[in-house]
Amino acid sequence: DSGVTQTPKHLITATGQRVTLRCSPRSGDLSVYWYQQSLDQGLQFLIQYYNGEERAKGNILERFSAQQFPDLHSELNLSSLELGDSALYFCASSKRDTPPYEQYFGPGTRLTVT
Amino acid sequence: DAKTTQPPSMDCAEGRAANLPCNHSTISGNEYVYWYRQIHSQGPQYIIHGLKNNETNEMASLIITEDRKSSTLILPHATLRDTAVYYCIVYAVQYSGAGSYQLTFGKGTKLSVIP
Repeated sequence: DSGVTQTPKHLITATGQRVTLRCSPRSGDLSVYWYQQSLDQGLQFLIQYYNGEERAKGNILERFSAQQFPDLHSELNLSSLELGDSALYFCASSKRDTPPYEQYFGPGTRLTVT
Repeated sequence: DAKTTQPPSMDCAEGRAANLPCNHSTISGNEYVYWYRQIHSQGPQYIIHGLKNNETNEMASLIITEDRKSSTLILPHATLRDTAVYYCIVYAVQYSGAGSYQLTFGKGTKLSVIP
């Protein structure tokens, strides 16, 4: 158990819909990262927040957005869903935002778009 | 960006040492070598990291060559639960502004521990 929690574990929805994935970082961790893992793309970095502020964007689509709240939990919002958005979505957290540091990953949310 | 090269798959007998190689010939002086693993669709798990010196923790040992162009992750006594995809990552591959170093995962090495 990494200490990072993600809800829900599974999500099935239809194309065109909007969903919200939630992540609670480890106690004391200020940085939250979101990753997408699909069968053909592997693990892809989406976005990072540090203490409520956006720090970096990776391969995140404009239909996707995220935020980190004052209590440091984070939400990833996916809208206008397409079949290709079906994937595992992982959240990770770390204490620092400069290396060296370890990222601790949650169990993931499996999104299926039908 | 420093990139890594790993064999796509390896087998190891249960109870034996698993030695997973990684080439990172373009690594810069301030870049760390990190190892993570992912057990069948679970979240990736941090294993170990190093800069220049060899490192050991309760999970594994990391051997980095003197020129830092390659490294080896050693699981001293592999068990069936060590079957996973192992990722070698050179940190600080992408710096995206104030305090953001992105982990870039490659395809990794699928380690199968055989009974």
